[in-house]
Amino acid sequence: DTGVSQDPRHKITKRGQNVTFRCDPISEHNRLYWYRQTLGQGPEFLTYFQNEAQLEKSRLLSDRFSAERPKGSFSTLEIQRTEQGDSAMYLCASSLETGGHEKLFFGSGTQLSVL
Amino acid sequence: AQSVTQLGSHVSVSEGALVLLRCNYSSSVPPYLFWYVQYPNQGLQLLLKYTTGATLVKGINGFEAEFKKSETSFHLTKPSAHMSDAAEYFCAVSVQAAGNKLTFGGGTRVLVKP
Repeated sequence: DTGVSQDPRHKITKRGQNVTFRCDPISEHNRLYWYRQTLGQGPEFLTYFQNEAQLEKSRLLSDRFSAERPKGSFSTLEIQRTEQGDSAMYLCASSLETGGHEKLFFGSGTQLSVL
Repeated sequence: AQSVTQLGSHVSVSEGALVLLRCNYSSSVPPYLFWYVQYPNQGLQLLLKYTTGATLVKGINGFEAEFKKSETSFHLTKPSAHMSDAAEYFCAVSVQAAGNKLTFGGGTRVLVKP
């Protein structure tokens, strides 16, 4: 058990609907990352936070995607007006940034299917 | 920007045989290098990592990898495959200046034949 929790594990939605995923990192970790993994591919970086500040967003993160980490603890990833191309596994990871290398701990992911 | 190339999306090995998974990276600054394993319906688990120092890195489950700067490679090996090694393996690179975010290769799925 890595200690990073993601909810829900699976989400099936119809095209055009909004969905929201939650990630609870390991409690003392100040960094939180979101990745997307499509079938047969490696995970792709979406965005990351240090505490509550969103420090970087990938070009993969279109305007329909928004991520928050309001109190520097849990994070949410919302997708508006879902499209079939959004179907993927959404992974969350957390780490403790100490000025050097840090180890990322991954959750089990949220599998999104857009019909 | 960093990138990772894993040669071979699928590898089939016999139980007891050598496992060799190839990874080449591109980075303009000294990288950190990682191998992760993903079992079905599970999250990514760190097998081993190279940050600095000794270029031969030992990880969990009998795996090891060698960082070769001149070849920009970080190949993963295990002398004797076990049925439980069947999984997908991802090589990844990160640099501290980029927030330590990981850039992954496309993955190699390992099938172990009895």
